[in-house]
Amino acid sequence: QQQVKQSPQSLIVQKGGISIINCAYENTAFDYFPWYQQFPGKGPALLIAIRPDVSEKKEGRFTISFNKSAKQFSLHIMDSQPGDSATYFCAATLFGNEKLTFGTGTRLTIIP
Amino acid sequence: DAGVIQSPRHEVTEMGQEVTLRCKPISGHNSLFWYRQTMMRGLELLIYFNNNVPIDDSGMPEDRFSAKMPNASFSTLKIQPSEPRDSAVYFCASSFGQVDAIYFGEGSWLTVV
Repeated sequence: QQQVKQSPQSLIVQKGGISIINCAYENTAFDYFPWYQQFPGKGPALLIAIRPDVSEKKEGRFTISFNKSAKQFSLHIMDSQPGDSATYFCAATLFGNEKLTFGTGTRLTIIP
Repeated sequence: DAGVIQSPRHEVTEMGQEVTLRCKPISGHNSLFWYRQTMMRGLELLIYFNNNVPIDDSGMPEDRFSAKMPNASFSTLKIQPSEPRDSAVYFCASSFGQVDAIYFGEGSWLTVV
């Protein structure tokens, strides 16, 4: 059962552009939504996370937008740079429950 | 801090052979996770230990897979017998009981031919 659906599977963005990755979840009890970044040959690492008491969270060039009624959340990368090229995973869980449900990942490529 | 350490980093084995993947969590962490990553299914949680006790193994695909955590500093994931469809990257992760502080190792790349 795929409880977190992620799109697109792959994304190519020009340097300086905005990268947008979307996720939708099914379990309305979920209340913690992290994004993980994974570089080739490395394990995923926590990038940014949001809880549903806010609709947006920003950390530098990375922003999570959250729509509780639509059960969707998205990652926006502003001024995308070649160093942002990586695979991005969204995830969801109940806060305090370490059992994360991951999306299938988006391979992002930033071209000059 | 050395981070989560996994071995081997790469393994190529023949179908039917036994495969053992190893993990050393970050010192002091009391939760340990085994994940499998494939292109089709992304990251799937296989099993989750807390204080060396298996808490949730609902993601273990079948009886060919087994995992142990004999002490706080070591865990193994064993596949016996291995099959080509087991080819994937297997990640170990650990945490100190906080969902916002889960650290992954660099993975074990398994190819079963």
